[in-house]
Amino acid sequence: EVQLVESGGGLVQPGGSVRLSCAASGFTFSKFWMSWLRQAPGKGLEWVGNISPEGNGIYYLESLKGRFTISRDNAHNSVHLQMHSLKVEDTAVYFCARVKATTTMNDWWGQGTVVTVSS
Amino acid sequence: DIQMTQSPSSLSASLGDRVSITCRASQGINYHLAWFQHKPGKAPKSLIYAASSLQTGVPLRFSGNGSGTEFTLSISSLQADDFATYFCQQYNSYPITFGGGTKVEF
Repeated sequence: EVQLVESGGGLVQPGGSVRLSCAASGFTFSKFWMSWLRQAPGKGLEWVGNISPEGNGIYYLESLKGRFTISRDNAHNSVHLQMHSLKVEDTAVYFCARVKATTTMNDWWGQGTVVTVSS
Repeated sequence: DIQMTQSPSSLSASLGDRVSITCRASQGINYHLAWFQHKPGKAPKSLIYAASSLQTGVPLRFSGNGSGTEFTLSISSLQADDFATYFCQQYNSYPITFGGGTKVEF
């Protein structure tokens, strides 16, 4: 079965950086687009970005460009989210998700990892 | 960006009830609409894609319909396991956007 397990969350000071990872199993990782999404406390879901199977095509939420970077390591079936210059409003549960083939919807999600930006 | 307006934001229901949730898109998205179920602390679960196609393993009491700008998720007979938050996702164009969610409560 498809499994996605996020890690790397925690408490970060404003202006700090954090790198999230997502370990994938149960499918041929190198053939699928992957996504990062987030949900701030009391808010709805927000798409962060998508990365192509080869890692050479990446789409970001415009407001996060320049601070957030998505990458992947197909040899280790993992996808990463590097976040810089973190703000209090970046506090959220961060999810990775698989993109369903031939679409851009997310068919499998991880449970998420919590990032709290606070001094 | 395409705005997704989901209603209601919450609803109270009983076992066996038929429940319907609506998502409206600010512009046409063809049939590029997905529905998800989310329980606290768990991974969101995909229920429906392409507005009306059931994901493998999803019970037949779940159904979706609509195209263009108005979409509906229906649960024909609410079961105990269905008490959760439901949200829609448009994937017609970037940025991918979501409805605000509907909490189905007892």
